[in-house]
Amino acid sequence: DSGVTQTPKHLITATGQRVTLRCSPRSGDLSVYWYQQSLDQGLQFLIQYYNGEERAKGNILERFSAQQFPDLHSELNLSSLELGDSALYFCASSVGWDTFGSGTRLTVV
Amino acid sequence: GENVEQHPSTLSVQEGDSAVIKCTYSDSASNYFPWYKQELGKRPQLIIDIRSNVGEKKDQRIAVTLNKTAKHFSLHITETQPEDSAVYFCAASTNGGSQGNLIFGKGTKLSVKP
Repeated sequence: DSGVTQTPKHLITATGQRVTLRCSPRSGDLSVYWYQQSLDQGLQFLIQYYNGEERAKGNILERFSAQQFPDLHSELNLSSLELGDSALYFCASSVGWDTFGSGTRLTVV
Repeated sequence: GENVEQHPSTLSVQEGDSAVIKCTYSDSASNYFPWYKQELGKRPQLIIDIRSNVGEKKDQRIAVTLNKTAKHFSLHITETQPEDSAVYFCAASTNGGSQGNLIFGKGTKLSVKP
């Protein structure tokens, strides 16, 4: 158990819809990193938040946004969903440690 | 930005043989290199990591080597077992892995045949 909690585990939604994925970091960690894992793109870094502020940005689409709240949990918002957004979405709260959450499997139909 | 290339994409070995997976990175500022094992549908799990001030690190049947000059690092698994079958990812990070994000290779699917 990494101590990182992700909800929901599975999400099925239709194209054009909007969903919110949630991540709670391991106790004591201030960062949340979001990664997308699709079959053709592998594990891609999306965005990092540190203590409520955006710290780094990767290959995150404009349709996607994230925020980190005062209690340090983070939400990843995906809007105008397309079939190609179907993927596993992982968050992690610290690099260098075994802190990937169990992921949210998003299926867009 | 950083780019990590990983080879091979698939690797099949007999039980008991060794397996080697190689990665190269582009950003000379990268100084932290973890390896992850991911079983189907599960989260990536850290199996070993190495920092740029070290050339080699071992943990039982697993070892990682780093060549900073050539900008490549490798994962070595000896005496492979069927339970080693999984997808392995290498990654690179700046900031010593403390606050830098990870850039991943595309993964290697390792199959160990009994």
